Amino acid sequence: GAVVSQHPSWVICKSGTSVKIECRSLDFQATTMFWYRQFPKQSLMLMATSNEGSKATYEQGVEKDKFLINHASLTLSTLTVTSAHPEDSSFYICSARDFNSFYEQYFGPGTRLTVT
Amino acid sequence: SQQGEEDPQALSIQEGENATMNCSYKTSINNLQWYRQNSGRGLVHLILIRSNEREKHSGRLRVTLDTSKKSSSLLITASRAADTASYFCATDASGATNKLIFGTGTLLAVQP
Repeated sequence: GAVVSQHPSWVICKSGTSVKIECRSLDFQATTMFWYRQFPKQSLMLMATSNEGSKATYEQGVEKDKFLINHASLTLSTLTVTSAHPEDSSFYICSARDFNSFYEQYFGPGTRLTVT
Repeated sequence: SQQGEEDPQALSIQEGENATMNCSYKTSINNLQWYRQNSGRGLVHLILIRSNEREKHSGRLRVTLDTSKKSSSLLITASRAADTASYFCATDASGATNKLIFGTGTLLAVQP
């Protein structure tokens, strides 16, 4: 089946630094990738939709200058949390839509970010 | 908020019993999907039901969809301790975006 990986699995960083999270589709091409954030014991909240070769579309209330998304190729999207603060600590999950499938989305295992 | 609502928020049952979770949503949809998430882990896709379908089965899972009421239910029959997880519905809204909007989730605990 289709596999999506995320790197790193977890990261601890100091307040004020930037952190980059990678999302890769390993065995399929993904024209569209999605980034979600999940706080403890809560549901997934969609942050942005990332399309290969174009600017990401951010959901209302998500700061595009703080959460930089780059979808440089059909298999890689990156989320950079800039000037991270403790309130950015969360579980970040990406998903990728198979170019050949209209409905199927495949989720990565998530990246746990802790900002100290 | 676009987010769907799920109930109950949490459910504790004994092994062998059935578990039913409900999901309500707000917009027209292409399809509705159910996912499972073990604590601190990624999502596992369980089942997808299209807007023109009313019921779907997959193993011990049974999903129903009522588009007139904008609601869906997930039934897990003969539950096992390994079914303990959070369960989320997600709607793929009508339109071109194909983005998924997740419900609030139900935490299921199956006691051995």
